[in-house]
Amino acid sequence: AQTVTQSQPEMSVQEAETVTLSCTYDTSENNYYLFWYKQPPSRQMILVIRQEAYKQQNATENRFSVNFQKAAKSFSLKISDSQLGDTAMYFCAIYSGGGADGLTFGKGTHLIIQP
Amino acid sequence: EAGVVQSPRYKIIEKKQPVAFWCNPISGHNTLYWYRQNLGQGPELLIRYENEEAVDDSQLPKDRFSAERLKGVDSTLKIQPAELGDSAVYLCASSLDAESTEAFFGQGTRLTVV
Repeated sequence: AQTVTQSQPEMSVQEAETVTLSCTYDTSENNYYLFWYKQPPSRQMILVIRQEAYKQQNATENRFSVNFQKAAKSFSLKISDSQLGDTAMYFCAIYSGGGADGLTFGKGTHLIIQP
Repeated sequence: EAGVVQSPRYKIIEKKQPVAFWCNPISGHNTLYWYRQNLGQGPELLIRYENEEAVDDSQLPKDRFSAERLKGVDSTLKIQPAELGDSAVYLCASSLDAESTEAFFGQGTRLTVV
């Protein structure tokens, strides 16, 4: 079984600031993938960034980057130069290959970007 | 390329009534997932299909929920009879195959049982 824990139910920052969302996970697998998904009010889950566990280099996608600490089973998301359109629910998720559990999601963090 | 299409977007029914949700995955995607997302929670897997075969339905409440994926393309999720606790968003997702790590989600169906 795999689990994901997001300990921040809600965060609020000013536009243009940097914000970090926390995520910890647990899995017995050695090969797995970690994701951050964004869910705006439209409800559609949008993939923000992906990290392969076997890669030591942290993934980056434009203003989004992760801090992947494999030994600590930690996977935080940093959003730089935050924009109003970043306001959404953010879900951390794990996929342990073979698809037995599909994607397992955390409970989410509601991020609010203030103008 | 069209994304995952779900219908209806919203559904309100009385308890004990039946309801069905429909999902059309991305063309060529063999793996299809149904998730349930309760208010304030992350999505939870209900069932996964590889083509037309349900390969993981351990979280599907089989006394009232059923699903099918005829011809390995579109899928239907049914609840009969619905209970108040079934109120949630039902999300469909698809991926190229079981080893593909990227799943694409539809916009979901918000079910309200009154």
